[in-house]
Amino acid sequence: DAKTTQPTSMDCAEGRAANLPCNHSTISGNEYVYWYRQIHSQGPQYIIHGLKNNETNEMASLIITEDRKSSTLILPHATLRDTAVYYCIVPNAGGTSYGKLTFGQGTILTVHP
Amino acid sequence: ETGVTQSPTHLIKTRGQQVTLRCSSQSGHNTVSWYQQALGQGPQFIFQYYREEENGRGNFPPRFSGLQFPNYSSELNVNALELDDSALYLCASSLQRGALDTQYFGPGTRLTVL
Repeated sequence: DAKTTQPTSMDCAEGRAANLPCNHSTISGNEYVYWYRQIHSQGPQYIIHGLKNNETNEMASLIITEDRKSSTLILPHATLRDTAVYYCIVPNAGGTSYGKLTFGQGTILTVHP
Repeated sequence: ETGVTQSPTHLIKTRGQQVTLRCSSQSGHNTVSWYQQALGQGPQFIFQYYREEENGRGNFPPRFSGLQFPNYSSELNVNALELDDSALYLCASSLQRGALDTQYFGPGTRLTVL
């Protein structure tokens, strides 16, 4: 998998936008960027993914730079329930790691009242 | 629509024993992946099963083995348990094999090896 780099932790005030950055400078042209999050003591939850265009769903928006070397996950109105570890993942399209999601350390997002 | 379920929720074993963990996939999903998550770490890929056959494997020894059944439910078996096997074991199902399809995770089984 292409290596990703994320800040260890971030804080956000409730009701404000949370912007979580991710660097993936070694990403290949056909590799997607996926975001998952893990709330304490639960299994990871899929948030959103994209290839090169910006994406939006009911949970979040994903902004991918034109050179695709970095992206930002945006939670537009963070709530206390958004406190979690957020993982940015660039899975391989195939090869020996077929089927594998590589989770790094992720970003611990803490939303404050 | 039923989500991914895992059993048991918690389990305590002693070193050297064997353990079987179970996973029921989300309805309509034919692919199951298993992950190990040690305390304070991100999940580590163990293997993936697609239509009852192993489709990919991470860096885990052969004492970690799996099965997928015709109804796409799955088992993770670990033989000769070691203290370092203590972890949260996560199962994830998806519509297609590979990592490019969204994986839906269960709540996990917390295994403690004494």
